[in-house]
Amino acid sequence: DQQVKQNSPSLSVQEGRISILNCDYTNSMFDYFLWYKKYPAEGPTFLISISSIKDKNEDGRFTVFLNKSAKHLSLHIVPSQPGDSAVYFCAASRSGGSNYKLTFGKGTLLTVNP
Amino acid sequence: EAGVTQFPSHSVIEKGQTVTLRCDPISGHDNLYWYRRVMGKEIKFLLHFVKESKQDESGMPNNRFLAERTGGTYSTLKVQPAELEDSGVYFCASSQASGSLDGYTFGSGTRLTVV
Repeated sequence: DQQVKQNSPSLSVQEGRISILNCDYTNSMFDYFLWYKKYPAEGPTFLISISSIKDKNEDGRFTVFLNKSAKHLSLHIVPSQPGDSAVYFCAASRSGGSNYKLTFGKGTLLTVNP
Repeated sequence: EAGVTQFPSHSVIEKGQTVTLRCDPISGHDNLYWYRRVMGKEIKFLLHFVKESKQDESGMPNNRFLAERTGGTYSTLKVQPAELEDSGVYFCASSQASGSLDGYTFGSGTRLTVV
């Protein structure tokens, strides 16, 4: 049973446009959410995060939105650049306690076309 | 500062053989994690060390997998005997003892192929 779901395996966007990547979760105990970016032959790198006490967090071109009632979050990239082409993973965790285990989705391959 | 280092980057072994993967965390990071991604699927948690102690090994698939972190520094993950379904990319990550989840740093992974 997948607790974090990324239903779009891939997304293609034109350079300069907005990229919207979506993620749904089922476990209501999750209270911290992260997005990771992964290039081929590299490990995931942290991009942006959001706590469940917020509904939006921005960092430059990247914004994450959280809708707790719908158990849904999304990552907006604007404007999209060719260097943003990568696999994006949504991850969730329970931030309390000493175990920082992450539960990941399957990832969405974003391609930004010049 | 050196990042999380994993060795080897690739390994191809035959079914029934033994393979040992190594992870060197960032110096001073007490938390060390192993994850695995089977092709096309999600990245799945295997286990978590705090220093040399196993904090959570709920994700270990079965007793063919053995993880150690002697002295609380580097860690090894041994698969013995390897099966075809063990193929995938094994990631190691580390974080500081009191760090936030944002401080999780992943290595580049070891791609294991069992034939």
